[in-house]
Amino acid sequence: LAKTTQPISMDSYEGQEVNITCSHNNIATNDYITWYQQFPSQGPRFIIQGYKTKVTNEVASLFIPADRKSSTLSLPRVSLSDTAVYYCLVVTNRDDKIIFGKGTRLHILP
Amino acid sequence: EAGVTQSPTHLIKTRGQQATLRCSPISGHTSVYWYQQALGLGLQFLLWYDEGEERNRGNFPPRFSGRQFPNYSSELNVNALELEDSALYLCASSDRPNQPQHFGDGTRLSIL
Repeated sequence: LAKTTQPISMDSYEGQEVNITCSHNNIATNDYITWYQQFPSQGPRFIIQGYKTKVTNEVASLFIPADRKSSTLSLPRVSLSDTAVYYCLVVTNRDDKIIFGKGTRLHILP
Repeated sequence: EAGVTQSPTHLIKTRGQQATLRCSPISGHTSVYWYQQALGLGLQFLLWYDEGEERNRGNFPPRFSGRQFPNYSSELNVNALELEDSALYLCASSDRPNQPQHFGDGTRLSIL
């Protein structure tokens, strides 16, 4: 049974790189991992998606090791506006399970 | 391109009543997902509709139900409302099951 685990909270400072890791055991090789950002009273916003190695877009990078038992969201040079809750999501192809992590509350300090 | 739209924004009901929440997906998206988010907590998966059919449902009682219409819009029905049903109900859509889900800003359901 697939499950995801994330740290409950993290603090960092403006200008730093922040890495948030999600552990996801028992996922298949073609199961995608997706990360979202959520501000209070808003729906989650898509950040990045991948299923192997490394993916980079204009706001973040996603690292997935060969064993695929975890993934790391990397936010370069964070600012105060990056204070939010970050969720990882796995959708399993073999049985259509939708598994959201419980979220990591990221607090950026000046 | 218009995003996912949900209505109403807020809904106030009393215990035992029934609530209907509506969702319009992004144009061209055929999968619609429903989630419940209690205040300060994470997202709990409720229902997934794809091409008009229920593809999966989360661990919720049968009084939570829904449907997807031929134009891919969807509604979520909650019967016999209980106080603990108070939450933000989020809808998302994607153009294929493995593609990123795009979320609306939710319907806040309050049960008095």
